[in-house]
Amino acid sequence: QSVLTQPPSASGTPGQRVTISCSGSSSNIGSNTVNWYQQLPGTAPKLLIYRNNQRPSGVPDRFSGSKSGTSASLAISGLQSEDEADYYCAAWDDSLNGGVFGGGTKLTVL
Amino acid sequence: QVQLQESGPGLVKPSQTLSLTCTVSGGSISSGSYYWSWIRQPAGKGLEWIGRIYTSGSTNYNPSLKSRVTISVDTSKNQFSLKLSSVTAADTAVYYCAREEWELDFDYWGQGTLVTVSS
Repeated sequence: QSVLTQPPSASGTPGQRVTISCSGSSSNIGSNTVNWYQQLPGTAPKLLIYRNNQRPSGVPDRFSGSKSGTSASLAISGLQSEDEADYYCAAWDDSLNGGVFGGGTKLTVL
Repeated sequence: QVQLQESGPGLVKPSQTLSLTCTVSGGSISSGSYYWSWIRQPAGKGLEWIGRIYTSGSTNYNPSLKSRVTISVDTSKNQFSLKLSSVTAADTAVYYCAREEWELDFDYWGQGTLVTVSS
């Protein structure tokens, strides 16, 4: 069981907006920044959002992140077929003095 | 452009020590303020943070693995390494190395290497 809780699956049709949630606690999301990763099948994860809402160079602005209290969200607007992937949130946990990931959300584009 | 590449045995026997090396190219491992990290992923499952080493040499480990994990750095070879002792089948996974600047923002990743624990 992961320290950060994500829904196991999400889906949407092309052009739609979908959100993926990540729930934590005061020792991780509540006091540290949240990062989001996209993992396509058979490949290494790719940094999608860092420090809650920052996009690395090259990441489309269709992807956005937000944080409130002990929860965070990843939003994908204008959904495209190539967005079909697994998405993970990650944060530092002060109580564990270590990093924690969410269990991952499999996004299906219908 | 920074690149990371994992290397090491793909098969390890139970109770033995898993040893992997990550070679960094395109930049010096000792320059800048970065953490050099290990993450693993069992087949069909999620990501698990193993631990990291800072450019100063300080380390942080996953509490659930701490008694078995050692991460070290060799600046002369621009490499950092992972040792995981007393492995079992539960340690079978794809192991990734990655660079981190701040609080798990892994911006560069290796391609990953599959390590299977089996006799």
